[in-house]
Amino acid sequence: GNSVTQMEGPVTLSEEAFLTINCTYTATGYPSLFWYVQYPGEGLQLLLKATKADDKGSNKGFEATYRKETTSFHLEKGSVQVSDSAVYFCALGKSGATNKLIFGTGTLLAVQP
Amino acid sequence: EAGVAQSPRYKIIEKRQSVAFWCNPISGHATLYWYQQILGQGPKLLIQFQNNGVVDDSQLPKDRFSAERLKGVDSTLKIQPAKLEDSAVYLCASSLDLRGAGELFFGEGSRLTVL
Repeated sequence: GNSVTQMEGPVTLSEEAFLTINCTYTATGYPSLFWYVQYPGEGLQLLLKATKADDKGSNKGFEATYRKETTSFHLEKGSVQVSDSAVYFCALGKSGATNKLIFGTGTLLAVQP
Repeated sequence: EAGVAQSPRYKIIEKRQSVAFWCNPISGHATLYWYQQILGQGPKLLIQFQNNGVVDDSQLPKDRFSAERLKGVDSTLKIQPAKLEDSAVYLCASSLDLRGAGELFFGEGSRLTVL
């Protein structure tokens, strides 16, 4: 069945460091891919998305490219800030039913000043 | 714009007791979701409503869980009787419609502890 695997955390970085959080997926058909973020004390919110192969989603300095050949959707940011500290979830939308999301286990990012 | 509201934020109960969670989605959102998030795992969809009809409840443990959205707005999720393994955060989310390109708006969640 469809599934999402993301790297385990926590990931601890210093401010201005480069961030990569790995995400790979297994799916039939042509799913859409998402990154959601959960800041402390808040609900999950959509960070970025990509709906077809080779699409790049971007928002708030974060980027992720939909790679069908490697079934990956890695999240990157060139220079993290303390305010980026949160839990990041990779998610997959089933083909034909985009809003039914399958989530990864989440990766906690802690950015130190 | 008001977000998705959930209550209570925290609930502690004994096993075999019952509990109910309430959700008020964003105004105008036709689709409502309940997710279960067990510690260390990603959210798992329990049930999805479109207006007041159920679209998908294939992962809802129907022997103990029930949910309703009677007037197509607010929703209630009930667990009766609760088991230890039901300890989790219950997330409510809403979206404009079924095919809203994956943007779900989540509430802060209701954390359930079953002792």
